[in-house]
Amino acid sequence: DSGVTQTPKHLITATGQRVTLRCSPRSGDLSVYWYQQSLDQGLQFLIQYYNGEERAKGNILERFSAQQFPDLHSELNLSSLELGDSALYFCASSVGGGTGSEQFFGPGTRLTVL
Amino acid sequence: GEDVEQSLFLSVREGDSSVINCTYTDSSSTYLYWYKQEPGAGLQLLTYIFSNMDMKQDQRLTVLLNKKDKHLSLRIADTQTGDSAIYFCAEGGYSTLTFGKGTMLLVSP
Repeated sequence: DSGVTQTPKHLITATGQRVTLRCSPRSGDLSVYWYQQSLDQGLQFLIQYYNGEERAKGNILERFSAQQFPDLHSELNLSSLELGDSALYFCASSVGGGTGSEQFFGPGTRLTVL
Repeated sequence: GEDVEQSLFLSVREGDSSVINCTYTDSSSTYLYWYKQEPGAGLQLLTYIFSNMDMKQDQRLTVLLNKKDKHLSLRIADTQTGDSAIYFCAEGGYSTLTFGKGTMLLVSP
């Protein structure tokens, strides 16, 4: 158990819908990262927040957005969902904001878009 | 852009050594990582190497880095069936990681 929690574990929804994925980092970690894992694209970095502020942006679509709240939990919002958005979404957390800080991964949320 | 390449599959017998290879393109990478993903689980950091090192040993794991060729390898000594998993190589710049697509290691008894 990494100490990072993600809810829900599974999510099934329809095209065009909007969903919110939630992540609680390890106690004391200030950084939260979101990743998307799919068979064809592999593991892709989406976005990073550090202490409530956006720190880095990766291959995140405009239909997706995220935020980190004052209690440091984070939410990833996916809207106008398409079939191709079906994937495993991982959250990770670290103490610091740079890659020298070990990232601890949550168990993931499996999103299925029908 | 940044790219990390790995072979997709490796099969070994229990007790043998496993070597998983990775190449990367970003010469400014500060750290290089190996993560392990077991079925249904998130990624777990196995080990990492700072870019100014050539080798790092950690129990059964040996990481070799050839910075000139941008080649990274992970050697697992005395591979066990519990080592069966997907292994990801990743390179780190300032704050983001770029992952390879993972190598599935299958260890047969």
